[in-house]
Amino acid sequence: QSVLTQPPSASGTPGQRVTISCSGGGGNTVNWYHQLSGTAPKLLIYSNTQRPSGVPDRFSGSKSGTSASLAISGLQSEDEADYYCATWDDSLNGWVFGGGTKLTVL
Amino acid sequence: VQLVESGGGLVQPGGSLRLSCAASGFTVKINYMSWVRQAPGKGLEWVSIIYSGGDTYYADSVKGRFTISRDTSKNTLYLQMNGLRGEDTGIYYCAREEYYDRETRVFDYWGQGALVTVSA
Repeated sequence: QSVLTQPPSASGTPGQRVTISCSGGGGNTVNWYHQLSGTAPKLLIYSNTQRPSGVPDRFSGSKSGTSASLAISGLQSEDEADYYCATWDDSLNGWVFGGGTKLTVL
Repeated sequence: VQLVESGGGLVQPGGSLRLSCAASGFTVKINYMSWVRQAPGKGLEWVSIIYSGGDTYYADSVKGRFTISRDTSKNTLYLQMNGLRGEDTGIYYCAREEYYDRETRVFDYWGQGALVTVSA
């Protein structure tokens, strides 16, 4: 059973580039969701690197081996949110989420 | 596409509750549908899935206590929760899955969430 590990927190100043790691996934692809306070999660990146339409190209994803990363460049105040990676676990027959990373824009 | 949950509330430990997720803009029978929950101040936890063919799967934490189902005539997804425990407290989201490419499934639509509080 997959366990996805994320740092609990990350921070940066406006305009900076920050990365959030997600380690421990298996061979399946990783999706990223972000959740603004008090709202439902929204899809940010799918299939490790792909952006759904409407997501700014400031957001990018990568995956190498069992580690995935989300990068946010040109950090903006509205990027302050919780970020979750997720992957399908074939043995569980279910989804596994990372613990989430709270991004603070200083 | 819209998902609207209902049925949350306060329930005593050991009690039962049924959550509903009314769907519009698509047919629940066609898409895979999941329940995902979030304990207060905590992260997301997948709870259960129902496939378009009707197969169902559960997280170990709820197996044997929760049952996912759907009513195609009402286009509604359900989560029957029995034997509720304090650790089941949280916001419960229903979420629709979609294939974004041949191999990648994503949650593309989420409901607003229903709050379940298990407390004496």
